[in-house]
Amino acid sequence: NAGVTQTPKFQVLKTGQSMTLQCAQDMNHNSMYWYRQDPGMGLRLIYYSASEGTTDKGEVPNGYNVSRLNKREFSLRLESAAPSQTSVYFCASRMGQGANGELFFGEGSRLTVL
Amino acid sequence: GESVGLHLPTLSVQEGDNSIINCAYSNSASDYFIWYKQESGKGPQFIIDIRSNMDKRQGQRVTVLLNKTVKHLSLQIAATQPGDSAVYFCAETNDYKLSFGAGTTVTVRA
Repeated sequence: NAGVTQTPKFQVLKTGQSMTLQCAQDMNHNSMYWYRQDPGMGLRLIYYSASEGTTDKGEVPNGYNVSRLNKREFSLRLESAAPSQTSVYFCASRMGQGANGELFFGEGSRLTVL
Repeated sequence: GESVGLHLPTLSVQEGDNSIINCAYSNSASDYFIWYKQESGKGPQFIIDIRSNMDKRQGQRVTVLLNKTVKHLSLQIAATQPGDSAVYFCAETNDYKLSFGAGTTVTVRA
């Protein structure tokens, strides 16, 4: 059972380039999330999807777009990467659509923007 | 504003001792809290959760205490082991989303 799988694990971009981080979960979860983690700042929510077909902004959505492709997959796109987007990105999923319940995290995608 | 924070960024503990990690939150409407553990290079892992209608919950070697009067959450780890070395995050529900604190780095001394 793979859980939450993120690709790629590492990526280096130049300023202005675009890329998509992929996330897939095999637990039949309804809710999916994208967080970024920066030193000393914990995890900050970028976007989330409470169910297939819906997406909502989190705390730090600027510069990102998301797509809930189907129940399994939730992608994060950077249209024009900036050095401030250098971070570790985590995808997570949860069974329920509401506020409670355990979040299952992927192993992270480390992005560097030069 | 609303925030979740931990009192200390680092904690050094002797192996075998008990650890206490503290967390303060500011949203009095929060009704669900979780503790996560993150080892180096990995994603956060669930440790234990607690709802606001409880003040204590126990798991295997871990206990979470919730004091809603002062908006304080703590995680107690009994008989700390080297494998407990990690960053620990508390998180609270906020408008159907989990908000995380900055984390406490726990180092276990042999």
